Amino acid sequence: GAVVSQHPSRVICKSGTSVKIECRSLDFQATTMFWYRQFPKKSLMLMATSNEGSKATYEQGVEKDKFLINHASLTLSTLTVTSAHPEDSSFYICSARVAGTSGHANTGELFFGEGSRLTVL
Amino acid sequence: TQLLEQSPQFLSIQEGENLTVYCNSSSVFSSLQWYRQEPGEGPVLLVTVVTGGEVKKLKRLTFQFGDARKDSSLHITAAQPGDTGLYLCAGALTGTASKLTFGTGTRLQVTL
Repeated sequence: GAVVSQHPSRVICKSGTSVKIECRSLDFQATTMFWYRQFPKKSLMLMATSNEGSKATYEQGVEKDKFLINHASLTLSTLTVTSAHPEDSSFYICSARVAGTSGHANTGELFFGEGSRLTVL
Repeated sequence: TQLLEQSPQFLSIQEGENLTVYCNSSSVFSSLQWYRQEPGEGPVLLVTVVTGGEVKKLKRLTFQFGDARKDSSLHITAAQPGDTGLYLCAGALTGTASKLTFGTGTRLQVTL
């Protein structure tokens, strides 16, 4: 299957610093990638949809200036947590969709990265 | 408000037992997927269902999509310790783009 890779897998930073997380589709092109946040023992919460060559679409309640998303190429999307604070500590996961073979827009398989655990001290 | 509610939230059973996980919503979904996630890793797709009433089998796992496409179930027969993990349903709302809404999750623990 398709591979989506995230880097770094773990990062610890001081409060007030910015952290960049990369999401790469290794063997396919992804015009759309998704960024999720997951709290311990909880489900995934969609933060934003990253669109190649255009601005990201953020979900309600997600601060655009706090979580900067850039999708500069068909294989790379980045999430930058700016001026990080302890409450930003979380597991961040990206995903990318491979086009579905049935022709149905939403049946393409969604491949997830390994996740990035951010700890802000 | 959570669009997709899963039940139970947590399930601890012994090897060999059967179980069913439910995923319910008041909304209609054009498709629904089930994922399994292990700690510290991203979710892995198990199945996609798109037709109301559809039933799919994956070895000991049976997935069903409700006739009205508002709910789904996952049944595991003769559970094994390797089935342990967080099970997530995720649906694409009718008329939306390709983004998924994830369910609340069901954490399954299978012991020897």
